[in-house]
Amino acid sequence: AQTVTQSQPEMSVQEAETVTLSCTYDTSESNYYLFWYKQPPSRQMILVIRQEAYKQQNATENRFSVNFQKAAKSFSLKISDSQLGDTAMYFCAFRVTGYSNTGKLIFGQGTTLQVKP
Amino acid sequence: EPEVTQTPSHQVTQMGQEVILRCVPISNHLYFYWYRQILGQKVEFLVSFYNNEISEKSEIFDDRFSVERPDGSNFTLKIRSTKLEDSAMYFCASSAGTTPNEQFFGPGTRLTVL
Repeated sequence: AQTVTQSQPEMSVQEAETVTLSCTYDTSESNYYLFWYKQPPSRQMILVIRQEAYKQQNATENRFSVNFQKAAKSFSLKISDSQLGDTAMYFCAFRVTGYSNTGKLIFGQGTTLQVKP
Repeated sequence: EPEVTQTPSHQVTQMGQEVILRCVPISNHLYFYWYRQILGQKVEFLVSFYNNEISEKSEIFDDRFSVERPDGSNFTLKIRSTKLEDSAMYFCASSAGTTPNEQFFGPGTRLTVL
């Protein structure tokens, strides 16, 4: 069974600073995807960034980047130049690939990020 | 931009009653999902649905739960004999495929069981 662990329930950062959110996962699968979702106070789930496990290059989307360490099963999210609008709960999620997979996402417990002015 | 919609935004029901949560996925999507999030906790997978049948369900999805795509556009989650512990936010999601296609989430329905 796959598990996703986020060990930081809450974090805060000053506006314009950089913050890193941690995520570890456990799986015996070799092909999978990892995701970071943002859930602002509106509760809408928004995809921030995704990483294919077979790709060594870390994914980047504007101010958001990941540090993917496959051997360590670690997938952290770095937010640069933090903005007030980044205040939200962030979920790390995992999905197996392959012919028989159903596409279900397995989520971590979430990290609440507060960006302070 | 196409989006997933859910109705109602908030549903209050008495314990033991039946509720139906409705979702309209993005029109060309083929894979549909329900997730739930108890307040302050993580998002949990309930069920996936493809080609008019359940492709996977979790332990949470017991005999009281059912899903249906009655008319080719709506995707519903029915909960019979509701319990207090069913109180949660329920999210519908859809995707064009399983991988690497992104799952698009609806805004959620908050279910309160009294």
